[in-house]
Order: sequence, then structure tokens, then C-alpha cells
Amino acid sequence: LAKTTQPISMDSYEGQEVNITCSHNNIATNDYITWYQQFPSQGPRFIIQGYKTKVTNEVASLFIPADRKSSTLSLPRVSLSDTAVYYCLVGDRESSYKLIFGSGTRLLVRP
Amino acid sequence: EAGVTQFPSHSVIEKGQTVTLRCDPISGHDNLYWYRRVMGKEIKFLLHFVKESKQDESGMPNNRFLAERTGGTYSTLKVQPAELEDSGVYFCASSQEGTGRSYEQYFGPGTRLTVT
Repeated sequence: LAKTTQPISMDSYEGQEVNITCSHNNIATNDYITWYQQFPSQGPRFIIQGYKTKVTNEVASLFIPADRKSSTLSLPRVSLSDTAVYYCLVGDRESSYKLIFGSGTRLLVRP
Repeated sequence: EAGVTQFPSHSVIEKGQTVTLRCDPISGHDNLYWYRRVMGKEIKFLLHFVKESKQDESGMPNNRFLAERTGGTYSTLKVQPAELEDSGVYFCASSQEGTGRSYEQYFGPGTRLTVT
């Protein structure tokens, strides 16, 4: 199972677009890339998942280059409530959907 | 729709005692997972159920931990006897099989276990 590397923390201001990049150099061919968000005293919450190119949903976009060695979570126009820890995870279908969490990126959104 | 619930939210026990954590997944979710975060470390996978069957328990730290999911509904995780290093937050998650979104796991709020 591939490991992920993310920045430890990021700061932003309300209304800005935030991009969090994660590297996963040894990702397997069949690995999906998934992002979760976690607030204090809560369990992680699914944000978005992708395999290649670009995926967009109502809260975020996920950009995955052709070599799939990295991915970028894009949060448009962040608000104070987006202050949280964001995890990039790689999942492997051969491991029964087991998730391996890294240390995550702590995002602080300032007024 | 009710989310994943866990009970208790907090538990403080002495070393050597037994504690049982409970997880109620989202109704209809066949997959149930247990994870834990030990203080200052990353969230670690413990095991995965599909209905009542254990599919992967490679993350279980030792034989002091026993997970069950009788009837394929709620699950329990028993720690007996508890040790100091078992302190941490235990998360349960569930997911629905066959939706094509295998990794969209829904997490509960966690049980904070403190062993003194």
C-alpha cells in the first residue's frame, strides 16, 4: 500500500481558494485516491475520491496528473468552517478497502 | 438517515480491567471497520467486517482485542485486559457494498478510551 506525504499545515483567508497537494510516489495501478476531512472530536468525513484526471463534487475538486504520483485537493472559496485536518489516503482494492491514514494537513482559515 | 454511532463516548478504566466498545453502523451498510488513534500518532486500521464475517483483521494489535459482529448489525470491540498503551480514540466506520464508491466510509464520532 502506498504511503502519502502532505504538508503539515496551511493557512488561508476566507474566500480564497485552497489547494492541498499530496504525493504518493509508489501508488499501485489499481489504487484510488481519497480525501477525508476531520474536525476536532469528530470522525473523519469523506470529501472526494478519484482515480485519474479531474473529479468535482459539490464541495471540492480533485486533480490527478497522468502519472498519478500526486494529487491536489482544491477547496473553492474557503470559509472559517473549513478549518480542519485534511487527509489524503490511498486505497487498494486488494486490501479489503482498508484505509491507511497519514499525518494529514491542518488547514487554518482566518477571517 | 442516522449516522454511525458509538458508545460510550468516553471511558476511563484502570489497567487490567475490561472494556467493551460498541458501534452501530448505518442501516444497510454491510461493511464495518474499526480504527484507532493512539495519542500523537496516526489513525490506524484495526479490522474490517463484511456482514458478520471478518475480512481483514491485520491491524489488531494483539489477542487482548476481540471484535465481534453477531448478526451483521452492530459490532463490539472488547479489550481484555486493558493496558496503558491502549489509551486513544477508537473510531468505527461503515460503508455500503456495491455502490462503486468503496472508500466512502462514514465514521462515527469515536470512543475516547483512557487506561490509568
